[in-house]
Amino acid sequence: EAQVTQNPRYLITVTGKKLTVTCSQNMNHEYMSWYRQDPGLGLRQIYYSMNVEVTDKGDVPEGYKVSRKEKRNFPLILESPSPNQTSLYFCASGWGSSFYGYTFGSGTRLTVV
Amino acid sequence: TQLLEQSPQFLSIQEGENLTVYCNSSSVFSSLQWYRQEPGEGPVLLVTVVTGGEVKKLKRLTFQFGDARKDSSLHITAAQPGDTGLYLCAGAPRGSTLGRLYFGRGTQLTVWP
Repeated sequence: EAQVTQNPRYLITVTGKKLTVTCSQNMNHEYMSWYRQDPGLGLRQIYYSMNVEVTDKGDVPEGYKVSRKEKRNFPLILESPSPNQTSLYFCASGWGSSFYGYTFGSGTRLTVV
Repeated sequence: TQLLEQSPQFLSIQEGENLTVYCNSSSVFSSLQWYRQEPGEGPVLLVTVVTGGEVKKLKRLTFQFGDARKDSSLHITAAQPGDTGLYLCAGAPRGSTLGRLYFGRGTQLTVWP
């Protein structure tokens, strides 16, 4: 089944403890991206990648790191999480020579206490 | 400031009614996409429009891209309870890096039996 798989689905952590949210896609898509979704603020793009080893900042990159060493994987790293990073996170992969659109994963609900 | 403004924010209607959701901006987009999101799930792409004035139909849903490529609308005919969900428009600004995608804050649609 064609899909974007992100893990874990739920995560509770403490302030300052480094964490990684994994994301993998099996559709051979060129583009990948991370979004966070917060009530009243909607979906905001954190980082995106149009190819291996190519990443760009989105709207809210501060406090996050990404890497695209393989086409299928795009992990999101929080080096020192803070409570304001408590949110619902979505990974997505996209296709098309002109970027047609994104397929989203099921989300990771992160709570930082 | 939000790049894409959606209206209305909330819409509650009876089964069988028609409705239109609007997505407006002062920016020009290379493409505009519509997604639908269910609670606890990632957004699902419904359609992508790329040509000014373009109209696409998906069963009872009609999507239109403005002539100037700054706005879009989603019209649902004879709404059904299964149409309930959060409808999101998203735009790729002209000249931006491929994969850069801004979302509106969404229209929460509830269709009552």
